[in-house]
Amino acid sequence: DADVTQTPRNRITKTGKRIMLECSQTKGHDRMYWYRQDPGLGLQLIYYSFDVKDINKGEISDGYSVSRQAQAKFSLSLESAIPNQTALYFCATSGGGLGNEQFFGPGTRLTVL
Amino acid sequence: AQSVTQLGSHVSVSEGALVLLRCNYSSSVPPYLCWYVQYPNQGLQLLLKYTSAATLVKGINGFEAEFKKSETSFHLTKPSAHMSDAAEYFCAVSDKAGTASKLTFGTGTRLQVTL
Repeated sequence: DADVTQTPRNRITKTGKRIMLECSQTKGHDRMYWYRQDPGLGLQLIYYSFDVKDINKGEISDGYSVSRQAQAKFSLSLESAIPNQTALYFCATSGGGLGNEQFFGPGTRLTVL
Repeated sequence: AQSVTQLGSHVSVSEGALVLLRCNYSSSVPPYLCWYVQYPNQGLQLLLKYTSAATLVKGINGFEAEFKKSETSFHLTKPSAHMSDAAEYFCAVSDKAGTASKLTFGTGTRLQVTL
């Protein structure tokens, strides 16, 4: 079973709809991240959380919100989706220690019409 | 602030040829640098990371990268390309020394391998 899972894997929605993307991990990591990938732009950090009570904005948080329901779960919400939020969204986790790395989920492809 | 520049959004090599993907970084702390690979329709997989130990870092699938502080570079190489290496490659730098805290990614380089 995958260590970092994302649901749904694909979603098509309409402008103005509220959307939630979910991420779960079984790695026991404290740190979780949400990234957005657009062609030619690489990955941009939306929000990150270093533990359940710690939520921080990343580079491009406008239009997004997050919830850290438990150590293993980190959800990303689009309160009112707009077409330029069409992108590939990735969740990642890390352990926070020296020499660690970020582990990525398989991604959610979101299309906003 | 940290930043990464990947020169060349597309690189094409022949099978068996040397692969060289360029990454230059800027960091206000001793850098933690890494390379990720993304195969079509998949997530990102870590190829290798530099955390201030040996400057030549060996990764998976025959890739390696050399940290050169004087050139602020962390280029990715593989002596002989294979068709299965076709993918997108991302260089990233952390905001904390020695650990993958907040990563800043480059814009990616798509590697094409031809027969």
